[in-house]
Order: sequence, then structure tokens, then C-alpha cells
Amino acid sequence: QSALTQPASVSGSPGQSIAISCTGTSSDVGGYNYVSWYQQHPGEAPKLMIYEVNNRPSGVSNRFSGSKSGNTASLTISGLQAEDEADYYCSSYTSSSTRVFGTGTKVTVL
Amino acid sequence: QVQLVESGGGVVQPGRSLRLSCAASGFTFSTYGMHWVRQAPGKGLEWVAVISYDGSDKYYADSVRGRITISRDNSKNTLYLQMNSLRPEDTAVYYCAKDLPGIPAIDYWGQGTLVTVSS
Repeated sequence: QSALTQPASVSGSPGQSIAISCTGTSSDVGGYNYVSWYQQHPGEAPKLMIYEVNNRPSGVSNRFSGSKSGNTASLTISGLQAEDEADYYCSSYTSSSTRVFGTGTKVTVL
Repeated sequence: QVQLVESGGGVVQPGRSLRLSCAASGFTFSTYGMHWVRQAPGKGLEWVAVISYDGSDKYYADSVRGRITISRDNSKNTLYLQMNSLRPEDTAVYYCAKDLPGIPAIDYWGQGTLVTVSS
């Protein structure tokens, strides 16, 4: 149950687009379309942003989108805004019926 | 609206036990899978355990298997986490969370309860 691999940090200027990668194995990310993404601001609980690779829950901005290719999933944030500055985590269902989270990515808006 | 309220955290000595509770409201608790996820201070999220809607299936992270037990009481809309043989590395905020209906994805989280394992 190794954590999924994410870049430690990603940054961008307001209005730009950024992408966060999440790399796993064929036993998790690559084997199922059950990849989720979470946003966490300091001192707060995580918030679901994307589920099933590319579905947005009601209320989440369409600036957030997800995709997957092989064992790597990605979260793209378009039109970057100051309030997007937060930590982001991917998560996947696994072949053992467990879940695994990514290592986390700190997004900085320059 | 969905509410998940954790309780039972605190300071405990290494080797001792602790039981966390999570009171659920705003949804039909007995029809959803439920999780515990933890986050050590300044660290990332770590999935701990999941229990099916009726309690018949339980799965654990390798790091806690054998020391931690997840359970639920659907008559009380409450989720539990029994933690035994606690270690300093178990120090974390413990979040209670629920799955989406029919989809293995967590959608709602509680605000968490802090467990500190220290002598």
C-alpha cells in the first residue's frame, strides 16, 4: 500500500492553468476509474473536487477537471485564482478493496 | 445537510488504548460505507479503514491492521475506531468520512479529532 506519487509543489500565476499528476500502479490508479481529488486548506477538512476520474460534485467550479492515462491521473485547474491555493490529494480504490492517497501537492498562486 | 462529528481524541501513553466515535446526521447512515482517515501533524492524508454499510465487510491499512478495529452501530448512527497498542506514530488528526452512494469515493469529511500518543 504505497502512497500514490504526486509532485510536492506546483505554482502558477492568476489566470494560468496548472496540472497535478498522480502516479500509481495497475493495482490502483491504472486498474479502476475510481480516482478522486481533494482540496485541503490549512486547518480545514479535505473537500471532494473530482470523483471517478473526471466527475465534479455539485458546487465545484468547472475550472477543475480530471483525466487519466494508464497508471497516471491528473487534476487540471484552469483560470487559477487566489482561493485555489491549497494542498491537493489524489486517492484511488485498490485491488485489495482498500483506498490509497497521494503524497499531496501544495499549489501556490504567485 | 451531512454532518460528521468526531470525538474521543486526546493524549494517551504509548501502549494504551483509545476509542474514537463519529456521530452522523443529515443522511441515511445505514446505507453508506464509512471510513477513518488520519493526518499526522504537517503531513499528508493516510487512509486507515473502511466498513461497509451493514458492517459485514471491513478493510484496513497495513500500518494499522491487527491494532485497530472499525465498527458501526446503525441504530445510533455512529461509527467507531478502537485503537490498541498505540504508538507515537499514530499521533494524528483522525477524520471520519462517508462514501458516495455506490461509488468507492469519499465525499464528506468530519472536522477531525486529534490523537496524541506521548509519554
